[in-house]
Amino acid sequence: SQQGEEDPQALSIQEGENATMNCSYKTSINNLQWYRQNSGRGLVHLILIRSNEREKHSGRLRVTLDTSKKSSSLLITASRAADTASYFCATRDSFSGYSTLTFGKGTMLLVSP
Amino acid sequence: DSGVTQTPKHLITATGQRVTLRCSPRSGDLSVYWYQQSLDQGLQFLIHYYNGEERAKGNILERFSAQQFPDLHSELNLSSLELGDSALYFCASSVEGGADDEQFFGPGTRLTVL
Repeated sequence: SQQGEEDPQALSIQEGENATMNCSYKTSINNLQWYRQNSGRGLVHLILIRSNEREKHSGRLRVTLDTSKKSSSLLITASRAADTASYFCATRDSFSGYSTLTFGKGTMLLVSP
Repeated sequence: DSGVTQTPKHLITATGQRVTLRCSPRSGDLSVYWYQQSLDQGLQFLIHYYNGEERAKGNILERFSAQQFPDLHSELNLSSLELGDSALYFCASSVEGGADDEQFFGPGTRLTVL
């Protein structure tokens, strides 16, 4: 079953613009992670934010977490054509064991030159 | 390159058949995870092994089974295949399997059941 729901399903922007993707989830979580997937290839871990953290930065990525609203956002600043990919949020929930990652359906990002 | 290898890259087979997918984790990683990605179900966690022992089970069908060998490579066996089993199957590995572990994904095996 899907835990995270990303929004929007697809996003098309120009190079240099910022891209914001949102993720909502249903249960209490231990942490939330964002992954990137280039077309039909393996997922690449981007960033992890713990349930007691509110914001985290990594290079051009900024992730926020609001546990009261059960939501997270991923901001990619100054986007590049190479950022074109699908982005997934994944949660580790607090009760079903640490090893289970539950993924959302993803946001497809297209960055045009 | 994540360091996780999966073979084969593509597999085309017929309904009712049995296939084995193979995964080699990154050097030093003790945990191996299997995921299925399809258009309708998205990315679903199947099973997790840690150092040869099953740690957690997700949405894995009874027709599917997995194991992790002493050299830490893992195999996912899919039997009595159905059209709906067509999907991308990913293996991931992590150092231990703890909550904060980053999972490193392999390139996947694309299974087509005709």
